[in-house]
Amino acid sequence: DAGITQSPRHKVTETGTPVTLRCHQTENHRYMYWYRQDPGHGLRLIHYSYGVKDTDKGEVSDGYSVSRSKTEDFLLTLESATSSQTSVYFCATQGTYEQYFGPGTRLTVT
Amino acid sequence: DAKTTQPNSMESNEEEPVHLPCNHSTISGTDYIHWYRQLPSQGPEYVIHGLTSNVNNRMASLAIAEDRKSSTLILHRATLRDAAVYYCILTTIQGAQKLVFGQGTRLTINP
Repeated sequence: DAGITQSPRHKVTETGTPVTLRCHQTENHRYMYWYRQDPGHGLRLIHYSYGVKDTDKGEVSDGYSVSRSKTEDFLLTLESATSSQTSVYFCATQGTYEQYFGPGTRLTVT
Repeated sequence: DAKTTQPNSMESNEEEPVHLPCNHSTISGTDYIHWYRQLPSQGPEYVIHGLTSNVNNRMASLAIAEDRKSSTLILHRATLRDAAVYYCILTTIQGAQKLVFGQGTRLTINP
């Protein structure tokens, strides 16, 4: 268990509002990731970070931004939430060979 | 990224072995074969990985074909807790691992 926490765990928000999801890790891992998972599908990579202030886009980055000001925290921001961003969001960190995933945040945009 | 192909679903009985296949015919020489599983309402968890040789750990075994175009995850004695979606993923172990999850195999374990 890599000590990954996500907050909030559940959130309901309205279309057009900004939303920030937080991922916190205690393992001092360099690489961190944000994925989303929609019903019946595997996870898709949104953004990832390879160090403090170093981030890059993943497969489905449109509408999302990220920031990493400290090794332990990786924030995912939806600048203006849309209904298509209703999903479960997972944060992950990378150990020596494998990734460790957080418990997920269920986001509903109404 | 090289793709993997897995059966959508499989079913087995408790305390019996389970063999989960994965085809990856376009695998490159530097790709490692990773397996993750996702229990209901949880994030994925790492199971095992390998490059060329068969691998064993406390959770499972990984058998890799000689040409590396396919692999099989083996659960030696399935329990109800092994019911999950299993994902076979090709990735690096150097640098950022931008994991590409397919649909995976949904494993059902019958008591």
